[in-house]
Formats: sequence, C-alpha cells, structure tokens
Amino acid sequence: ETGVTQSPTHLIKTRGQQVTLRCSSQSGHNTVSWYQQALGQGPQFIFQYYREEENGRGNFPPRFSGLQFPNYSSELNVNALELDDSALYLCASSLVKANPGELFFGEGSRLTVL
Amino acid sequence: SQQGEEDPQALSIQEGENATMNCSYKTSINNLQWYRQNSGRGLVHLILIRSNEREKHSGRLRVTLDTSKKSSSLLITASRAADTASYFCATDDGNNRLAFGKGNQVVVIP
Repeated sequence: ETGVTQSPTHLIKTRGQQVTLRCSSQSGHNTVSWYQQALGQGPQFIFQYYREEENGRGNFPPRFSGLQFPNYSSELNVNALELDDSALYLCASSLVKANPGELFFGEGSRLTVL
Repeated sequence: SQQGEEDPQALSIQEGENATMNCSYKTSINNLQWYRQNSGRGLVHLILIRSNEREKHSGRLRVTLDTSKKSSSLLITASRAADTASYFCATDDGNNRLAFGKGNQVVVIP
C-alpha cells in the first residue's frame, strides 16, 4: 500500500473522445509524475508536476495535459483519443528534496480506446 | 524514450533457486532503480543504487552497478512463489523522472 490512489480503475472510451484521470498522492509528497504503460512494455514518462507547475515532459503530444492542485493531487487529461492511447496510466508521487529517486505508484487506470 | 533494457526478458525458475536479471542503459545517470510489478498492477520500488555505488543489498535482493559498462544486475536469492512478477530497471536523471526498460518476467514454480 503506497498511499497513492487513482481513479477510475478501468474505463472505456471511443476514438476522438476526451478522458480525465485522477490521482491523489501520498501525504506530504509534492511531486507527481504520470506514466503510460502499453501492454507488455515498460512505463513511459509522460510528465511531472512540482508545486503545481509542469517540471519536465516526455515524448508525448500536447493533447496530453495535466494539472496539479494545491493539495498535490493531480489530473491527466487526454484529448482526441486514439486507439494507441489504450494503456495502463500510472501516477507516482515523490518528495524530491527529502528522498530523491524513490517513486510511490498507484495501481493505475486502465484505459481502453475503441 | 526507453533507457534500460533488461536481459533476459523471461525467466522461469524453481522455488529456492536464484534469479538474475541484467539491465543496460545508454546515458549518464544519477541513480538506477529496480521495481516490481504484479500482473498489470502498480509498480513497487525495490532498491535504488546511486551512480557512485557499486553494490547494494536489501534482504534477498542484491543489485550491482557498473557505470563503465552502463549496466546493472538484480539478483533475487532463494526465490519464492510470491516473487513471480515483472521486474523493471529504471534510470533517474536526478529529478525523479524515470526511464524504464521493457521489463523482465519472472515465474517461480513452487
């Protein structure tokens, strides 16, 4: 149990729709990162938020966007869904300055795009 | 982009045996980490080794790091059925932004 919760756990969308995924980070953690994990692959870094600002982004198009709120919870939004967006989306929280490196992951949101 | 690459990618062993996985990477790192994932669920942090360390132990886990060869290995000793999972190495650029390998599926047969 990492203390990181994600919702929803599963969802199905159709191509062209929009989706919002939510994450509550572990208490006191000020950094949230999002990862996309396609079936049979390792997680791919989407972006990171630190103190409500984007703090690094992976190789993902602008239709992937995010927010971090004052309580450090976060959202991942994906517009104009494509079939290849089907994946497990993982949120991870950390406290950068105190413990650099270790991430605490939620159980993920499994998105299926039809 | 993917940084780490694990080798071998699938491993099947008997309970009580040791399991060894290797990982290579391409760029300079601040630290390298190993994570475990059970059947499509969230990842669990196992161990972190900093770039100036060569070996680290945690319980039944032993990690080595060779920065000259840009490689790392994870050894799980006296494996148990509960160790059945996928194992990922990940490199950290120093800002908690991880680049994961493709993963190494380990099956421990009771």
